[in-house]
Amino acid sequence: DAEITQSPRHKITETGRQVTLACHQTWNHNNMFWYRQDLGHGLRLIHYSYGVQDTNKGEVSDGYSVSRSNTEDLPLTLESAASSQTSVYFCASSPGVGATDTQYFGPGTRLTVL
Amino acid sequence: EDQVTQSPEALRLQEGESSSLNCSYTVSGLRGLFWYRQDPGKGPEFLFTLYSAGEEKEKERLKATLTKKESFLHITAPKPEDSATYLCAVHSWGKLQFGAGTQVVVTP
Repeated sequence: DAEITQSPRHKITETGRQVTLACHQTWNHNNMFWYRQDLGHGLRLIHYSYGVQDTNKGEVSDGYSVSRSNTEDLPLTLESAASSQTSVYFCASSPGVGATDTQYFGPGTRLTVL
Repeated sequence: EDQVTQSPEALRLQEGESSSLNCSYTVSGLRGLFWYRQDPGKGPEFLFTLYSAGEEKEKERLKATLTKKESFLHITAPKPEDSATYLCAVHSWGKLQFGAGTQVVVTP
């Protein structure tokens, strides 16, 4: 079955280190998204991509970057991890052009920055 | 500025006690309202999409409705397995904006 996976599921790192979170989908969806989820804030959009070589900033993009070199993967990089980036990160994908259709979410990565 | 507000923040129900969750929104150019269910430690799971005022959708004990300013998720005769956080999101200008969610606990 097609699916969306995230790795690692849990990560502990130190302030200042570079961290990359992986997201892989096998649906051949054009659109991919990264969110963070914190108590009291709900899901907030970090970056998104509407296709290969396309990336866009979301609501809370400072300190994060993404690149899209193929359809299946959208890795999220924290350039220099900060304690404020401790959160649960979710990747999502949707099939169409633009975010007009349903997004399907991965299982999440819990990141702790010490 | 686009806003999505869900109420209540938390809801505790007895098994069989029907209730409704509210999602109110202010957004320009609404292109869809989505409901998701999220279990602890898991990603959101898609439930419904509503596109126009007056539209209704049902799935088992859940029924979602939409007006021009808000959406309701009605839970009829809930069971303990309906315990979860329910998220609503509005699609506007190419992106989804989420509310903070309503945590529902159904006790036997």
